[in-house]
Amino acid sequence: EAGVAQSPRYKIIEKRQSVAFWCNPISGHATLYWYQQILGQGPKLLIQFQNNGVVDDSQLPKDRFSAERLKGVDSTLKIQPAKLEDSAVYLCASSVQRGRETQYFGPGTRLLVL
Amino acid sequence: AQKITQTQPGMFVQEKEAVTLDCTYDTSDQSYGLFWYKQPSSGEMIFLIYQGSYDEQNATEGRYSLNFQKARKSANLVISASQLGDSAMYFCAIGSPQGGSEKLVFGKGTKLTVNP
Repeated sequence: EAGVAQSPRYKIIEKRQSVAFWCNPISGHATLYWYQQILGQGPKLLIQFQNNGVVDDSQLPKDRFSAERLKGVDSTLKIQPAKLEDSAVYLCASSVQRGRETQYFGPGTRLLVL
Repeated sequence: AQKITQTQPGMFVQEKEAVTLDCTYDTSDQSYGLFWYKQPSSGEMIFLIYQGSYDEQNATEGRYSLNFQKARKSANLVISASQLGDSAMYFCAIGSPQGGSEKLVFGKGTKLTVNP
């Protein structure tokens, strides 16, 4: 079974530029999560999708971050415009929505904002 | 609000010995889950073990076991017979059901180094 796929793996941009990350969850997983992991910290949930609907985006900085999961499968997270403090690893995870299910993570995208 | 505290920024262990990584939590939920993930230098989060708040027995998965003490709100990870490949960051997380799935809150992690 293929795992969670993410691209790109690395991205370097200048502040005020825009950037987009892509995630393809494990086949059949209804729930998709985007996390932000700043160096030296644990992952922090940004947004959670159930199929193509948003369950929780309370910690997403909506003035600059946006995410979509149009067909209930893959998802895109966008930052526009980027700030220096957005430098982090962006992790995507997915789980089967059948009660309490483990989240499986992708390899992450390492973003550096200069 | 839920919170995870991992008080050990770094731990060292000799190969083949056992090591305990500490995790304490705070929650007002009656039903919750506790998770441990491993993050090697490659960056991917690897699920290790899960303990439900109503589970009476401590969870075990191969060389990993979870020492769950509900009254003390602790969920320590025990790794037996450490291997060099166990060197990594270890994160404890607490989950609460939300929309049928888990919303995880992670601690800051513990860096484990296994010495030969």
